[in-house]
Amino acid sequence: KQEVTQIPAALSVPEGENLVLNCSFTDSAIYNLQWFRQDPGKGLTSLLLIQSSQREQTSGRLNASLDKSSGRSTLYIAASQPGDSATYLCAVRKAGNQFYFGTGTSLTVIP
Amino acid sequence: SAVISQKPSRDICQRGTSLTIQCQVDSQVTMMFWYRQQPGQSLTLIATANQGSEATYESGFVIDKFPISRPNLTFSTLTVSNMSPEDSSIYLCSIRTVNPYEQYFGPGTRLTVT
Repeated sequence: KQEVTQIPAALSVPEGENLVLNCSFTDSAIYNLQWFRQDPGKGLTSLLLIQSSQREQTSGRLNASLDKSSGRSTLYIAASQPGDSATYLCAVRKAGNQFYFGTGTSLTVIP
Repeated sequence: SAVISQKPSRDICQRGTSLTIQCQVDSQVTMMFWYRQQPGQSLTLIATANQGSEATYESGFVIDKFPISRPNLTFSTLTVSNMSPEDSSIYLCSIRTVNPYEQYFGPGTRLTVT
């Protein structure tokens, strides 16, 4: 069974800092990996989708990378802002359209 | 990307009662998915709702507890029956696009059972 781990569970940084969130998965046979943002008590907002054949995807200040062979993905956030404070989740898609979610990293950006 | 809405956004319910959550999508989709997110936990898939057929439930979830309706290609409901405090969670409706194969979520329904 696929296990998805996100470290750290919580992160606090001052505004303006660049930061990296990590996502690890045990089975490298994935179709894609998706990063989400979740505000407290709310649903998930899709940030970036990386197909298994891709190495990275960029959207604005966000850059996500994928290293399938090592079972890792990172989400890089440049010039962090207080509005970036949220929980960030990664999810991997496997055969049979099964999705496995990480437990998330709770990010706080301090003004 | 599709726009997904859910009603209610939150509710506080008494033990033993039932709550029906509605999910509306602004485009037709074959499959809709219902997830549960318990406090401090990640998402767990409850069931897949296909239009015109019975929902497919994941291990640990049963139809008597979580009946699902899917009357058309843009709408689904999830009922949480005979609620207990352990059912306090965020319930999320989701769809998946085909190309690329990507997930989208509704805003969630925050349920508290007292």
